[in-house]
Amino acid sequence: KAGVTQTPRYLIKTRGQQVTLSCSPISGHRSVSWYQQTPGQGLQFLFEYFSETQRNKGNFPGRFSGRQFSNSRSEMNVSTLELGDSALYLCASSVTGEAYEQYFGPGTRLTVT
Amino acid sequence: DAKTTQPPSMDCAEGRAANLPCNHSTISGNEYVYWYRQIHSQGPQYIIHGLKNNETNEMASLIITEDRKSSTLILPHATLRDTAVYYCIVRVVDNTGKLIFGQGTTLQVKP
Repeated sequence: KAGVTQTPRYLIKTRGQQVTLSCSPISGHRSVSWYQQTPGQGLQFLFEYFSETQRNKGNFPGRFSGRQFSNSRSEMNVSTLELGDSALYLCASSVTGEAYEQYFGPGTRLTVT
Repeated sequence: DAKTTQPPSMDCAEGRAANLPCNHSTISGNEYVYWYRQIHSQGPQYIIHGLKNNETNEMASLIITEDRKSSTLILPHATLRDTAVYYCIVRVVDNTGKLIFGQGTTLQVKP
């Protein structure tokens, strides 16, 4: 069974640009959650999508948004990039969202210059 | 979700048991204890969870004190591949994907 895949794995963007990251969950999983990981703040929850609806949202500015498609694939978008957005962005998928069944992808390393 | 406290780092000799503590003194009756780990440059990985009874699976054992205010994750025979950051998370079972990660414990397994 294929795991969670994230594309691209590495990305370099310039301040002010926008970026879209993609997450393909494990087949049959309907919940996709996104996290930002930085050395200073650690792992922080961004949002969760379940059956194409945002079910939970973390404490991030509106520049961070996401969506989920009917096949459960999810994208997150960051507009007007700031240097502080440089981070590892991780997504996790699960059947229902239960904490014991979440599988994380390898992440997308975003560098903002 | 209850707040957790973990030591920032620990060392363990290869082949010995690694005992990782977690304090969660404000845990509620309906909150479970979950453990995840993150090996360098990879996504976190679920290890084990429990409510009040001790739990064991192929990866680890979880010991929760009777008052549920603390727990210990035990890796019975640590290997170099167990070097990782270990996160203790306390939350209710509510079918939502939100996990609140603390700073975790960096376990260094040494040869």
